[in-house]
Amino acid sequence: NAGVTQTPKFRVLKTGQSMTLLCAQDMNHEYMYWYRQDPGMGLRLIHYSVGEGTTAKGEVPDGYNVSRLKKQNFLLGLESAAPSQTSVYFCASGEETQYFGPGTRLLVL
Amino acid sequence: KNEVEQSPQNLTAQEGEFITINCSYSVGISALHWLQQHPGGGIVSLFMLSSGKKKHGRLIATINIQEKHSSLHITASHPRDSAVYICAARSGNTPLVFGKGTRLSVIA
Repeated sequence: NAGVTQTPKFRVLKTGQSMTLLCAQDMNHEYMYWYRQDPGMGLRLIHYSVGEGTTAKGEVPDGYNVSRLKKQNFLLGLESAAPSQTSVYFCASGEETQYFGPGTRLLVL
Repeated sequence: KNEVEQSPQNLTAQEGEFITINCSYSVGISALHWLQQHPGGGIVSLFMLSSGKKKHGRLIATINIQEKHSSLHITASHPRDSAVYICAARSGNTPLVFGKGTRLSVIA
């Protein structure tokens, strides 16, 4: 039982490049979330999903897109990366209690 | 929007001390969560409560709904308790709103 996994663990991008972060969970959860964590700030919700085929905006959605084509996967896309998107990204799943992935550290130069 | 405030921001304690971390929120909630973020970055849920008190080992979480306040207590603190402790609140069906965290260092 792997829980929540994230790919990749670390990535460096140049401004304007695109990338996709993958989150996978094996707990059959309906709810999945993408957060970003920046120094001095709490976890902030980017997008979330309440079930396969659904997505919703969180607190800081600009510059990101998501897709939930399969229940177990939640993808976060950056179409044109900006230095302001340098952050640690966490995926989580679960409705009452949330289970977090290990995080993806992204550096945009 | 719910505002979640934690205090203190940073806390250093000697091994064995009793520790209290505070969390206050601005609007009524359906649930209050406490999470722990390890030095390596991993985040785990410790408690979810909507009233009263919960205890797990040396950790105790309490909530006062009327005062919109929750506390996390650690008894007989140990260096392995060093971590960032995060409070998060949910109002109705809205997503969790997180505090900025309290960084705890326990010195042997």
